[in-house]
Amino acid sequence: DAGITQSPRHKVTETGTPVTLRCHQTENHRYMYWYRQDPGHGLRLIHYSYGVKDTDKGEVSDGYSVSRSKTEDFLLTLESATSSQTSVYFCAIKDGAGESYEQYFGPGTRLTVT
Amino acid sequence: GQNIDQPTEMTATEGAIVQINCTYQTSGFNGLFWYQQHAGEAPTFLSYNVLDGLEEKGRFSSFLSRSKGYSYLLLKELQMKDSASYLCASMDSNYQLIWGAGTKLIIKP
Repeated sequence: DAGITQSPRHKVTETGTPVTLRCHQTENHRYMYWYRQDPGHGLRLIHYSYGVKDTDKGEVSDGYSVSRSKTEDFLLTLESATSSQTSVYFCAIKDGAGESYEQYFGPGTRLTVT
Repeated sequence: GQNIDQPTEMTATEGAIVQINCTYQTSGFNGLFWYQQHAGEAPTFLSYNVLDGLEEKGRFSSFLSRSKGYSYLLLKELQMKDSASYLCASMDSNYQLIWGAGTKLIIKP
């Protein structure tokens, strides 16, 4: 198994509060991703990182920000949580070296915004 | 545009064979992935196809036709533990994945 963890695993928060989710990897992989997964939708990319301090937006980035100050950690922040951000959030990592394109996923964080 | 389609749900019998289809429209196509996701768990990587043809890995095989924008995942000798959602994803010219909504596979004894 890829060494990838997420914290917290479950969180309930109130509308309007900031929330930070953490993804930690021990694989020294260059690429890290944040997705959300909702019923009836495929995984949707929020933000991704291609190196320390190098990040870019995905298709559903509004209301989210990220930071990557170390190779092993990728943080996702909901600046002011809304009920529409209730979802399961997955972090993924990718080596990207050579022909290695597959992504490996963390266990997920279930976030409920009330 | 970018689009991935796969059936929402399929049912099959233990011991049988099932084929899960996926069609895609992806700019700068760079390959097709299949993942398995058990309820409440993370997706896990099954296969990656970039060339036309069939690739076999034990009970699971994956097929790709680039000219038709079509892939399938073939599961043989179905076991109850194969009950899961199967996610199809295409990789675009920027090496980003575009995901289908997943096919929930129900295995009956």
